[in-house]
Amino acid sequence: EDQVTQSPEALRLQEGESSSLNCSYTVSGLRGLFWYRQDPGKGPEFLFTLYSAGEEKEKERLKATLTKKESFLHITAPKPEDSATYLCAVQAHYGGSQGNLIFGKGTKLSVKP
Amino acid sequence: NAGVTQTPKFRVLKTGQSMTLLCAQDMNHEYMYWYRQDPGMGLRLIHYSVGEGTTAKGEVPDGYNVSRLKKQNFLLGLESAAPSQTSVYFCASSTDRGYQPQHFGDGTRLSIL
Repeated sequence: EDQVTQSPEALRLQEGESSSLNCSYTVSGLRGLFWYRQDPGKGPEFLFTLYSAGEEKEKERLKATLTKKESFLHITAPKPEDSATYLCAVQAHYGGSQGNLIFGKGTKLSVKP
Repeated sequence: NAGVTQTPKFRVLKTGQSMTLLCAQDMNHEYMYWYRQDPGMGLRLIHYSVGEGTTAKGEVPDGYNVSRLKKQNFLLGLESAAPSQTSVYFCASSTDRGYQPQHFGDGTRLSIL
């Protein structure tokens, strides 16, 4: 069964304190792994897509990496405006959920000034 | 650019009532999706459409119906609402069902009393 597990569930950081969010997955042939940001009362906002192990993508203070079993979202010197829930989703090549996005439960990040 | 627009934003229903949620996208995307988001759970796919006039079941389709009469619109119907359908509903669209990200609306918050 295709599955996505995100950890930790919640993370509190001080402004400037770098850290990483984890997304572990099991899937029948990974087509793509997606990171989204979700602010309270809003829909998920697309951040990155990763397709193969070893791939990395960056955007401002965020950097996403991918291995064969997990992805990390590294946050460097975070600011309060980075506070949000970060969602990870995978898309499978094969199986019953082929083509569908399978979402994790998310990591709620709070950055205090 | 409006992107993906959902109406209404909030709604309260009584058990047994019916209603339709509307999703409109202005990006000329072929693919559209309906998800529900519940506390402590990841986004779950209800139904999706691969083009005008087509619909398909997702992970949790029971109790819902959908229609895609026009390319830009995707409707989600609840024929007889139940308290278990209290949730936040998100619509998304994409250019394909593979490598491109899905773009989400800001959700409809639905309470069934």
